[in-house]
Amino acid sequence: KAGVTQTPRYLIKTRGQQVTLSCSPISGHRSVSWYQQTPGQGLQFLFEYFSETQRNKGNFPGRFSGRQFSNSRSEMNVSTLELGDSALYLCASSLSPGEVNEQFFGPGTRLTVL
Amino acid sequence: AQSVAQPEDQVNVAEGNPLTVKCTYSVSGNPYLFWYVQYPNRGLQFLLKYITGDNLVKGSYGFEAEFNKSQTSFHLKKPSALVSDSALYFCAVRESDYKLSFGAGTTVTVRA
Repeated sequence: KAGVTQTPRYLIKTRGQQVTLSCSPISGHRSVSWYQQTPGQGLQFLFEYFSETQRNKGNFPGRFSGRQFSNSRSEMNVSTLELGDSALYLCASSLSPGEVNEQFFGPGTRLTVL
Repeated sequence: AQSVAQPEDQVNVAEGNPLTVKCTYSVSGNPYLFWYVQYPNRGLQFLLKYITGDNLVKGSYGFEAEFNKSQTSFHLKKPSALVSDSALYFCAVRESDYKLSFGAGTTVTVRA
């Protein structure tokens, strides 16, 4: 079974631009979560989607948004990029949002904002 | 307050020696606890989880973790470390709103 895939793997943008990251979950997984990983802040939860609905949202500004499609694929968008948005963005999928289910992570998208 | 804490930024052990990575948690109710490992330039890999039942949980790659309710701890252990175990380890806990909160991570270095 293929794992979680994220595209692109690397991205370089300039301040003020916007970016869209894509995540394809493991087949059969319907829950997708996004995290931001930085050396200073560690792993921070962005949001979680299930059945095309956002179930949870972390403490990030409105510039960060996401969505999920009917095939469970998910995208996250960051508008008006800032230097501080440079990070590894990780997507994780699980069968459902249940608390006992472990999440399976993709390799991440490395975003660099210049 | 942080829901999960990893008190050590780094752990260094010699190959063949026991490895312990510490984690403490602070959530109300029954905790759902997880350990993940991250190798350089890779995503996180699931190692093991505690939901209920036996306090000693066995996971992937020879790792195990011991849940201790009285000490609110969930330490990761491996009886005999390998050089290939060198990586970044994260403890995580499910919050009451189902969000997964991660500790700051512990860098493990196993020297040959």
